[in-house]
Amino acid sequence: EADIYQTPRYLVIGTGKKITLECSQTMGHDKMYWYQQDPGMELHLIHYSYGVNSTEKGDLSSESTVSRIRTEHFPLTLESARPSHTSQYLCASFGGSYEQYFGPGTRLTVT
Amino acid sequence: KNQVEQSPQSLIILEGKNCTLQCNYTVSPFSNLRWYKQDTGRGPVSLTIMTFSENTKSNGRYTATLDADTKQSSLHITASQLSDSASYICVVSDRGSTLGRLYFGRGTQLTVWP
Repeated sequence: EADIYQTPRYLVIGTGKKITLECSQTMGHDKMYWYQQDPGMELHLIHYSYGVNSTEKGDLSSESTVSRIRTEHFPLTLESARPSHTSQYLCASFGGSYEQYFGPGTRLTVT
Repeated sequence: KNQVEQSPQSLIILEGKNCTLQCNYTVSPFSNLRWYKQDTGRGPVSLTIMTFSENTKSNGRYTATLDADTKQSSLHITASQLSDSASYICVVSDRGSTLGRLYFGRGTQLTVWP
């Protein structure tokens, strides 16, 4: 089982609040990713990083931002949450040999 | 347009029965195809990964096949168990080990009844 963690697992928050979703991995992987997934839909890449101080936007436009100050840590921040941000957010890392490992996800609900 | 289409969208089977899930893709160039299992409220977990030269791969009761010529893959589950109830996602990559672009299917929601 991969050592990639996400907190919180569930979050219900009011509109306008600032939130940070945490993601960390202990495998020393350089490449990390954030995906957004709505129920019954495919995963959409919103951010990725190929190493420390490297961040890029993914295919799906997102109002969130990310940072990569340490290899093991890749947090995602929403400055002002809105109901349209309600979704599941999945963090992943890539260690080579085609294998991508996913965290358990954060289910975000913005009321 | 690169796409991954899965069928059926949902499937209900009785415990102990076999089933086959389908994945058709138009991704080009093709590098590898993965099948993931995603339990409700959890992250996807890899079942199999196949490159262009592989046409079958097994992981316990899961057997994946790949026909790179017709751009089709299937995932066969043998002797289903209640714990097999999950979404099964087909993912295709268009590049090599540097992890190119990933294309995700919407998944097949499998429910196994006792």
